[in-house]
Amino acid sequence: DTAVSQTPKYLVTQMGNDKSIKCEQNLGHDTMYWYKQDSKKFLKIMFSYNNKELIINETVPNRFSPKSPDKAHLNLHINSLELGDSAVYFCASSQDGTGSQPQHFGDGTRLSIL
Amino acid sequence: LAKTTQPISMDSYEGQEVNITCSHNNIATNDYITWYQQFPSQGPRFIIQGYKTKVTNEVASLFIPADRKSSTLSLPRVSLSDTAVYYCLVGEDSSASKIIFGSGTRLSIRP
Repeated sequence: DTAVSQTPKYLVTQMGNDKSIKCEQNLGHDTMYWYKQDSKKFLKIMFSYNNKELIINETVPNRFSPKSPDKAHLNLHINSLELGDSAVYFCASSQDGTGSQPQHFGDGTRLSIL
Repeated sequence: LAKTTQPISMDSYEGQEVNITCSHNNIATNDYITWYQQFPSQGPRFIIQGYKTKVTNEVASLFIPADRKSSTLSLPRVSLSDTAVYYCLVGEDSSASKIIFGSGTRLSIRP
């Protein structure tokens, strides 16, 4: 059973469109995350979210919004896609959001903007 | 925020021991040190974590000196399948404002 699963694996779309990426974890973790990995392989945190609070990296445009229907899911919605949004997006989860608990990552969603 | 610095790339041969060092001069008292491995087209995978001295698991060892301003990931007897990017991460708090992944070290293992 996959611990952290993302769909779709690949997403190709036009500039200006709105798209969503889904993430589910079956580990019973309280905290989930979204990361962006650019072409240079830098991993940048976008959001962290647990039952209590959403923390947003200040560099993330407000076109990006996480939505969590329940503890096991954290979806990423992106409005008005731009060329610079092309990247691989990773979802992750951890037990409780503290630095002592390792994160478990999905295999990523490769987003390509035409 | 504790920023990390790692070598961009390293090369080694099968059967050798590989040591990758990460510098984190601004590490805070409560920060843990965590290493991840990433293969192409996959998400990062947790390898090992430590706070001080030495930690060992079935995959690797992590050496942390007393001042904790650096750490060394040690991979014993590497194989071709250890070719990957290795990331060092330092932090006490996994909230979005505190997580900084470095650029990682691209390790290439040759036969």
